[in-house]
Amino acid sequence: KAGVTQTPRYLIKTRGQQVTLSCSPISGHRSVSWYQQTPGQGLQFLFEYFSETQRNKGNFPGRFSGRQFSNSRSEMNVSTLELGDSALYLCASSTGTGISMNTEAFFGQGTRLTVV
Amino acid sequence: AQKITQTQPGMFVQEKEAVTLDCTYDTSDPSYGLFWYKQPSSGEMIFLIYQGSYDQQNATEGRYSLNFQKARKSANLVISASQLGDSAMYFCAMREGNTGGFKTIFGAGTRLFVKA
Repeated sequence: KAGVTQTPRYLIKTRGQQVTLSCSPISGHRSVSWYQQTPGQGLQFLFEYFSETQRNKGNFPGRFSGRQFSNSRSEMNVSTLELGDSALYLCASSTGTGISMNTEAFFGQGTRLTVV
Repeated sequence: AQKITQTQPGMFVQEKEAVTLDCTYDTSDPSYGLFWYKQPSSGEMIFLIYQGSYDQQNATEGRYSLNFQKARKSANLVISASQLGDSAMYFCAMREGNTGGFKTIFGAGTRLFVKA
């Protein structure tokens, strides 16, 4: 069974540009969550999607957006990149939403974004 | 306010000994889920163990057990018989929310070093 796939693995962008990251969840998983991981702030929740609907959003500016497609694949977009957006962006998929055991998250290996 | 607190930035343990990683959480929701994840140096996040807020018994998964003290809002991870491969970052996480949306919040992590 294929795991969570994130593309690209590494990305270098210039301040002011925009970027789109992709996440393909495990087959059959309908929930996708995104996290930003930095040495200073740790792992911070960005958003969660379930069946193409954004279920929750973390405390990030509107430059951060996302969507989920009918095949459960998800993309996140960051516009007008800032140096502080440099981070490891992790995507996680799970079978469901809620708080039960089946919301155990399976993580991808992440996309490391560097903004210069 | 911090919702998940891991007070040990780094821990050392001798191989084959047990170690406890601390985690306290803060929520006013009666329903929540607690998770522990391991992040080796390779970067992927690996699910270890889950405890639901209504679970009467402490969760166990192989060498991992969760010491759940609900009144104290603590969910410490106990790793028995430590192995060199246990050296990694360990994250405590809490999932909370309602039908309007859920999110998972992570602690800052504890880096565990297992000594031969």
